[in-house]
Amino acid sequence: DSGVTQTPKHLITATGQRVTLRCSPRSGDLSVYWYQQSLDQGLQFLIQYYNGEERAKGNILERFSAQQFPDLHSELNLSSLELGDSALYFCASSVVQAALYNEQFFGPGTRLTVL
Amino acid sequence: EDQVTQSPEALRLQEGESSSLNCSYTVSGLRGLFWYRQDPGKGPEFLFTLYSAGEEKEKERLKATLTKKESFLHITAPKPEDSATYLCAVQARSGGYQKVTFGTGTKLQVIP
Repeated sequence: DSGVTQTPKHLITATGQRVTLRCSPRSGDLSVYWYQQSLDQGLQFLIQYYNGEERAKGNILERFSAQQFPDLHSELNLSSLELGDSALYFCASSVVQAALYNEQFFGPGTRLTVL
Repeated sequence: EDQVTQSPEALRLQEGESSSLNCSYTVSGLRGLFWYRQDPGKGPEFLFTLYSAGEEKEKERLKATLTKKESFLHITAPKPEDSATYLCAVQARSGGYQKVTFGTGTKLQVIP
């Protein structure tokens, strides 16, 4: 158990809909990362937040957005869903200090199925 | 653009048959290289961080090494429980950000 929690575990929805995925980082971790993992593309970095502020952006679509709240939990919002958005969505957290990289601890993931 | 390439894509070993997985990378301003293990349907599990060329780290049957262009994950006398997908990731500075790029992984199967 990494200490990172994600809800829900599974989500089934229809095209055109909007969903929200939730992540709670490990206690003490200030940084949250979101990843998408599909069968044909591997693990794709979407976005990172550090202490409430956006820190890095990867291949995140404009239909997707995220935020990190004062209690450090994060939400990933996916809208106008398409079939191709079906994937495993992982959240990871790390401490992230100024001059050091801390390894990321991954949650169990949310499996999104768009029908 | 940062690139991480892992080879082979899949590897099948007999129990006890040692081998190496490769991760080659092209990044500017490497801050760290990481190895993760991922079991099916689960989140990646951290194994190692390497920061500079020449560095080596070991954990049980696994040993990770780093050069200026690639990293190797050596598996000595593997057991069936080592079967998993092994992911390599690099962290680099990108326009004021710290960005992480993952490879697509090597799927390892160890046969009893």
